[in-house]
Amino acid sequence: GQQVMQIPQYQHVQEGEDFTTYCNSSTTLSNIQWYKQRPGGHPVFLIQLVKSGEVKKQKRLTFQFGEAKKNSSLHITATQTTDVGTYFCAGPERTDKLIFGTGTRLQVFP
Amino acid sequence: DARVTQTPRHKVTEMGQEVTMRCQPILGHNTVFWYRQTMMQGLELLAYFRNRAPLDDSGMPKDRFSAEMPDATLATLKIQPSEPRDSAVYFCASGTGGSGNTIYFGEGSWLTVV
Repeated sequence: GQQVMQIPQYQHVQEGEDFTTYCNSSTTLSNIQWYKQRPGGHPVFLIQLVKSGEVKKQKRLTFQFGEAKKNSSLHITATQTTDVGTYFCAGPERTDKLIFGTGTRLQVFP
Repeated sequence: DARVTQTPRHKVTEMGQEVTMRCQPILGHNTVFWYRQTMMQGLELLAYFRNRAPLDDSGMPKDRFSAEMPDATLATLKIQPSEPRDSAVYFCASGTGGSGNTIYFGEGSWLTVV
C-alpha cells in the first residue's frame, strides 16, 4: 500500500528561526493535504495542494507540492511558540482513503 | 459549529474487557475514518467507510477489533477483548468524500488498558 514518510521526525528550534518539514509519498498523489496537531489535541486541516509545482502561503507558512506530485514541503518563517505541534501531510490512496505521513514534531524554545 | 463528536473522551479499563467507542460524524459527511495514534505509530488508519459501507479495514486487527456504522449518524469501534497494547488515542474523522476529501477530526478517545 501507499506509504508517506516525513522528515525530520523531530525538530527543536529557537523562536525566530525557520523550520521546514518534508513529505515523500511512495506513489503519485492527486492532492496533498497538511494538518497540524497541537499537543494533547486533534489534527486540524491547514491546506490542500492539487497542482504540480503548486505553492501556497498562509501568513508565515509556505506549502509546496512537487513537480512529480510525490513530495511536498511545509516551511515556517520566523517560528513562534504558537507553532508548536506535530505537522502531518496526508495523501489519498485510490479515491478518498486518506493516508497520513509519519509527522514532524516541532518544538519552539522562547 | 459542526464538529465530529466522540465518546468516551477518556477510558481506563482492565485487560480482557470490551471497549466500545462511538463517533457522530458531521451531518452530511459521507466518509468516516477511524485512526489510532500512538507515540510509535503516528496516525494509523484502522477503518474507513463511505456511505456507511466499510471500504477498507485492512489496518485493523480482525481478531479483536470491529467497526460498524449502524446509521449515518453513528460509527462504532469495538475492541473485545482489550489488551494493554491497545492503549492509544482513537480518532474518528469525517469528510465529504471524493479525491479532494478534507477530513475533520473528533477530539479523540484516550484509551488505557491496564
